[in-house]
Amino acid sequence: AQSVTQLDSHVSVSEGTPVLLRCNYSSSYSPSLFWYVQHPNKGLQLLLKYTSAATLVKGINGFEAEFKKSETSFHLTKPSAHMSDAAEYFCVVRRYSSASKIIFGSGTRLSIRP
Amino acid sequence: GAGVSQSPSNKVTEKGKDVELRCDPISGHTALYWYRQSLGQGLEFLIYFQGNSAPDKSGLPSDRFSAERTGGSVSTLTIQRTQQEDSAVYLCASSLASQGDTEAFFGQGTRLTVV
Repeated sequence: AQSVTQLDSHVSVSEGTPVLLRCNYSSSYSPSLFWYVQHPNKGLQLLLKYTSAATLVKGINGFEAEFKKSETSFHLTKPSAHMSDAAEYFCVVRRYSSASKIIFGSGTRLSIRP
Repeated sequence: GAGVSQSPSNKVTEKGKDVELRCDPISGHTALYWYRQSLGQGLEFLIYFQGNSAPDKSGLPSDRFSAERTGGSVSTLTIQRTQQEDSAVYLCASSLASQGDTEAFFGQGTRLTVV
């Protein structure tokens, strides 16, 4: 079975400062991990994914995430926040090697202060 | 089509009525998922179809909810005798292959309001 926990329901940072959104996962199998973003009244968009290749994954809009097996974590970071980054972010896990359902975390709302 | 298409985009229904929500996945995608997102909440898994395999229905909240996928393409989610707690955005997603390293592409959702 797989599960994912997003440790913060809401994160607020100032524009230009670093962003850290935390995600821990649990999986009985080798996982694939994803981050999706949902802007207000918009659909879900893939930011980045980890699928057993490089542990540091770069995504769109300057975001990146590092897979740490020993810590069962997949935290999302960005060096410098922009106002347009304000959105809801979801960490997602699924089984890597075969068909399986996709499990979403509860989401983290990111707010950016001017 | 270019993306996952859901219809209708909005649906208002009276309590006790049945509703059908439609999802057209991306052509060639073998996996199809339904999720529910209540106001300010995360995504709740409902059901998952993969090719000709039996669907994973483990997320359906009650026997009022059912879904089918005809010809391995279009899917319909049916909610019978709707209740106010069924009000939510229902999201459909599809992915290319059965392997877990492929991402899912989401539709814009159907906003269901039960009055």
